Amino acid sequence: AQSVTQLGSHVSVSEGALVLLRCNYSSSVPPYLFWYVQYPNQGLQLLLKYTSAATLVKGINGFEAEFKKSETSFHLTKPSAHMSDAAEYFCAVTPNRDDKIIFGKGTRLHILP
Amino acid sequence: EAGVTQFPSHSVIEKGQTVTLRCDPISGHDNLYWYRRVMGKEIKFLLHFVKESKQDESGMPNNRFLAERTGGTYSTLKVQPAELEDSGVYFCASSLRGKASPLHFGNGTRLTVT
Repeated sequence: AQSVTQLGSHVSVSEGALVLLRCNYSSSVPPYLFWYVQYPNQGLQLLLKYTSAATLVKGINGFEAEFKKSETSFHLTKPSAHMSDAAEYFCAVTPNRDDKIIFGKGTRLHILP
Repeated sequence: EAGVTQFPSHSVIEKGQTVTLRCDPISGHDNLYWYRRVMGKEIKFLLHFVKESKQDESGMPNNRFLAERTGGTYSTLKVQPAELEDSGVYFCASSLRGKASPLHFGNGTRLTVT
């Protein structure tokens, strides 16, 4: 079965520092991978997705993620954190033969002034 | 383009009562999904409609939950009778057909069963 594991339910970084949110996936076939963000009292919003076209995927708001098959990872990064990045981030995977998306447990990102 | 809308945004009911949640997907989106997040836990898949047909309902917790999608447009999720463990945020999402089309989420309905 497909699954994703997000390391760290809470991550704190200083404003201007590098953001790194970790995600590892489990899949027997090349998956489709996503990062979603949820701001308070809002629905989930797609940040970026990997669909096998390129291993480095750029998303909105300066975020990017790199697909590393050898490490089964899809970590999310941003060079310089802004206060507005404070939110909860979800890594997700779509099984190859199914449109159902499976989410990780989420990582809440805190930005320190 | 209007997004996915969910109603109500909040609902507080007593154990044993019935609640119906509604989702209006983006027009033209054949795929409609229901997800649930219980406090502190992961977002769990409940079911998937393609137009008016249930494609996958493997995530439905039990037969107290009934989902419908009338005419392939809006969808309702009814919980009858509600139990304490049904509390959580229920999200609806829609997407176009086609592999890995991104999901567009509504803001969710926060259900509290007391």
